[in-house]
Amino acid sequence: DAGITQSPRHKVTETGTPVTLRCHQTENHRYMYWYRQDPGHGLRLIHYSYGVKDTDKGEVSDGYSVSRSKTEDFLLTLESATSSQTSVYFCAISEVLADTGELFFGEGSRLTVL
Amino acid sequence: GEDVEQSLFLSVREGDSSVINCTYTDSSSTYLYWYKQEPGAGLQLLTYIFSNMDMKQDQRLTVLLNKKDKHLSLRIADTQTGDSAIYFCAESISGGGADGLTFGKGTHLIIQP
Repeated sequence: DAGITQSPRHKVTETGTPVTLRCHQTENHRYMYWYRQDPGHGLRLIHYSYGVKDTDKGEVSDGYSVSRSKTEDFLLTLESATSSQTSVYFCAISEVLADTGELFFGEGSRLTVL
Repeated sequence: GEDVEQSLFLSVREGDSSVINCTYTDSSSTYLYWYKQEPGAGLQLLTYIFSNMDMKQDQRLTVLLNKKDKHLSLRIADTQTGDSAIYFCAESISGGGADGLTFGKGTHLIIQP
């Protein structure tokens, strides 16, 4: 299994509070991604990173920010959580120059915003 | 924009073959993927196919690719209860994979005894 650790795995918070989810990898992969999974929507890309301090927006980036100060860590921040951000968040990593460019996923972080 | 479509549910009897279908839009995708998600877990790559291939077989799994119709299918032979999961079809967003993958909504495979 790819060495990806997401924390926290479960979090309940209130509307308007800041939340930070952490993704830590031990694979030294260049690319890291944050997706959210919602019933009826599948997985949607929030932000991704193609190197330290290099990030870009995905399909559903509004209300989210990211930071990558080290190769191994990719943080997802909800500055002021809303109920619409209740979801399961998945981190993924990739080494695109590898054979297939596949993504390896973490176990997910379940966030509930009350 | 990219879009990947797949049906939401498929119900099959144990021992029968399951066929999960997917249509995609980005003809520049180098690889197309099938991921499997078991309850409470992350996604795991099940198999993939290179865009210049028509078919790929791996034990009980057969992937068929029709590039003309942008149609991808996954066949699982001799379906078992352990195959019960959500199956996601995915394509590269930008053709090269660096921008991530675009996923379908997932097909819930339900196994009847």
